[in-house]
Amino acid sequence: NAGVTQTPKFQVLKTGQSMTLQCAQDMNHEYMSWYRQDPGMGLRLIHYSVGAGITDQGEVPNGYNVSRSTTEDFPLRLLSAAPSQTSVYFCASSYSGDRAPIYYEQYFGPGTRLTVT
Amino acid sequence: GENVEQHPSTLSVQEGDSAVIKCTYSDSASNYFPWYKQELGKRPQLIIDIRSNVGEKKDQRIAVTLNKTAKHFSLHITETQPEDSAVYFCAASILDTGGFKTIFGAGTRLFVKA
Repeated sequence: NAGVTQTPKFQVLKTGQSMTLQCAQDMNHEYMSWYRQDPGMGLRLIHYSVGAGITDQGEVPNGYNVSRSTTEDFPLRLLSAAPSQTSVYFCASSYSGDRAPIYYEQYFGPGTRLTVT
Repeated sequence: GENVEQHPSTLSVQEGDSAVIKCTYSDSASNYFPWYKQELGKRPQLIIDIRSNVGEKKDQRIAVTLNKTAKHFSLHITETQPEDSAVYFCAASILDTGGFKTIFGAGTRLFVKA
């Protein structure tokens, strides 16, 4: 099991460029989320998903798009990068359990450090 | 929406002392409360969690208490050690139509002095 993987590890973008941060998990988890963590700050929820085809907005969704076409993958797309999006981005996944509502540990990926100049 | 406040932002203790971190949440529908430890440059790691139908949970030197009426929960670390130095985050989670929605507190930087 690779767990939650994220690519790339580091990325530098110019203002206005677009890119996609990749996230994949091999644990057959239904729940997946994207967070951003600014220096010295907590994690803020960007988007989250309950399964393929179902996503919802978190606390700070503006400037980001997501899609969930498979259980394994949950890419995050930056539409037009801005310096305010300089941050570390974490993807996380969680098992949904056989009986809802039930909660299980979120597993985090190693993060992508993004700098927008 | 949910809002989680965490205090203190920085905590310094002597090795062997106890450390307490407190959090409050706003959405009474939240019913899962995990605590994460994050070391510099690393990903957050779950250290303990508590569900809304439980008032207290303990795992060796770590314990968490939950007061649903007051909407606050706390992390207690006893017999602190230098390796406990890290940033600790509380969080409140709810399962809604979009999925598993978790809102984090701003974090507490814990320093344990040897």
